[in-house]
Amino acid sequence: GENVGLHLPTLSVQEGDNSIINCAYSNSASDYFIWYKQESGKGPQFIIDIRSNMDKRQGQRVTVLLNKTVKHLSLQIAATQPGDSAVYFCAESPSGGSQGNLIFGKGTKLSVKP
Amino acid sequence: EPEVTQTPSHQVTQMGQEVILRCVPISNHLYFYWYRQILGQKVEFLVSFYNNEISEKSEIFDDQFSVERPDGSNFTLKIRSTKLEDSAMYFCATSQGVYNSPLHFGNGTRLTVT
Repeated sequence: GENVGLHLPTLSVQEGDNSIINCAYSNSASDYFIWYKQESGKGPQFIIDIRSNMDKRQGQRVTVLLNKTVKHLSLQIAATQPGDSAVYFCAESPSGGSQGNLIFGKGTKLSVKP
Repeated sequence: EPEVTQTPSHQVTQMGQEVILRCVPISNHLYFYWYRQILGQKVEFLVSFYNNEISEKSEIFDDQFSVERPDGSNFTLKIRSTKLEDSAMYFCATSQGVYNSPLHFGNGTRLTVT
């Protein structure tokens, strides 16, 4: 998928630096959150998820933080690489909603400078 | 890693024509979904499908849309009479069905209605 024309927030970082991408979600009853990465011409790719009973979860080079008080989600990427350049979406699953009815955020474009 | 496969990658059709978009899910996945992304906009939920019937659908998924799994492998989205505003990327996604298991997306079909 492409996001040409979408006025996305853009984050530009130097290769090797850490990146933090933020997301404000809409539904205080949402109980499951996912970060997806979308490269040009491709579908959303799962990165990491977190349930509402947690406030932090770590993966390989990525960490997701959840602050339910202010309905805020963040994705931290350690030692950012050029291959991390993409659009990043957070998605939420409303509590009681059907499996897979995800609400996507607008996305943040990450550009990594070599 | 298993993938969700979508065909065709690009479909051009005239307004009023019927189109069928195809998806081959990951083999042990039980839940199937269609999402769309209009150029410059967010990824939006269309429909979820489980056990050969629709679980949930959004307002977008009106009578012009239908889904089926005719042969136990392919999962299809049919648009009966396409409109200009149906032009978008259409993503198929599948999940194992365990509660809050992540969705895995295909690379999409770009539908252009002229």
